Amino acid sequence: GNSVTQMEGPVTLSEEAFLTINCTYTATGYPSLFWYVQYPGEGLQLLLKATKADDKGSNKGFEATYRKETTSFHLEKGSVQVSDSAVYFCALNQLIWGAGTKLIIKP
Amino acid sequence: DTGVSQDPRHKITKRGQNVTFRCDPISEHNRLYWYRQTLGQGPEFLTYFQNEAQLEKSRLLSDRFSAERPKGSFSTLEIQRTEQGDSAMYLCASSQTSGTRYNEQFFGPGTRLTVL
Repeated sequence: GNSVTQMEGPVTLSEEAFLTINCTYTATGYPSLFWYVQYPGEGLQLLLKATKADDKGSNKGFEATYRKETTSFHLEKGSVQVSDSAVYFCALNQLIWGAGTKLIIKP
Repeated sequence: DTGVSQDPRHKITKRGQNVTFRCDPISEHNRLYWYRQTLGQGPEFLTYFQNEAQLEKSRLLSDRFSAERPKGSFSTLEIQRTEQGDSAMYLCASSQTSGTRYNEQFFGPGTRLTVL
């Protein structure tokens, strides 16, 4: 069946560090892939998405590329800020969700 | 755009009681989704509607759970004979099937259920 696996958190980084949060998936067909973010005290919100292989989603300095050959959709950001501290969720077709990765950015 | 609203925000009930939650989606959104989320986990899909039609229901969903969206606007999720394992955050989301934000789900704040 379909599944999503995210790297476990928490991930703790210093401000301006490079971020990668890994997400791999198992799916039949050609799913759409999503990253959602949940800031402290707020609801889930869409960060970025990609609907087909080799598509790159980007938003707020975050990027993720849909890699069919490695069944991955890793989230990256070149220079993180304290305000990026949140829980990040990878989702397949918005119906199968990873467990979330808590990101903590220290000043 | 007032966002997705859910009521109540918190519900405490005793085991065996029935509970009902309400979700009001963004007005022009024709799809509405229900999820359950427990601490440290991602949302678990329960069911979704397009307009008033319930198009998909999770195979893991107990028959104690039922959802309705009678007029294609708000939706209710009822849990009968609650069990302690039903304690969770119940999330509602809505989306539209056209336009620039096609299929982007907007989430409500959730209803936190505690079953004693």
